[in-house]
Amino acid sequence: DVKVTQSSRYLVKRTGEKVFLECVQDMDHENMFWYRQDPGLGLRLIYFSYDVKMKEKGDIPEGYSVSREKKERFSLILESASTNQTSMYLCASHSANSYEQYFGPGTRLTVT
Amino acid sequence: AQKITQTQPGMFVQEKEAVTLDCTYDTSDPSYGLFWYKQPSSGEMIFLIYQGSYDQQNATEGRYSLNFQKARKSANLVISASQLGDSAMYFCAMREVSSGSARQLTFGSGTQLTVLP
Repeated sequence: DVKVTQSSRYLVKRTGEKVFLECVQDMDHENMFWYRQDPGLGLRLIYFSYDVKMKEKGDIPEGYSVSREKKERFSLILESASTNQTSMYLCASHSANSYEQYFGPGTRLTVT
Repeated sequence: AQKITQTQPGMFVQEKEAVTLDCTYDTSDPSYGLFWYKQPSSGEMIFLIYQGSYDQQNATEGRYSLNFQKARKSANLVISASQLGDSAMYFCAMREVSSGSARQLTFGSGTQLTVLP
């Protein structure tokens, strides 16, 4: 079974803090994604990566950065957390040869 | 313009009945894929079904079927014989293959389905 894990299910941070969200997949997938999910807006793509050290902006990259130093790990970084970044963050991955994206369990981040 | 539109924020269905969740999409790409995901209250996203734009037949997976009407650009999910465990948020999503964003999914806003006993 494909497994995508995220470092925390729940996280509470203060405004201005630097926040790291980690995602690890165990199926050697080339493509990895970070989404945020907000009520009424569905999932919106923040960043994705199709290879180690490669990254591309999604629809809402402002205020975020990413890092992919190893194939299995994709990190989302909030350089200076703000209250409008309070959200559910979902990581996903898929193989270049497959259409199905596999999702992690999500991290519910609250910025106070 | 919205690429994926789900017009039903909430739906109710009686247990054992069938229910249709609506999804319309907008693309000029001739090659695309359509997906449905289920998200229970626990939060994980569960892949349900996939339809390719060139597939001649509607996709089916157990109790799930995708009613694909290409000319109308609709990809409705039909759940037959609803069960209490089907209560969840359902998302329709699309991947456009030719546009250079082959790796990305675009999601709709979701439909919250509640199955009544």
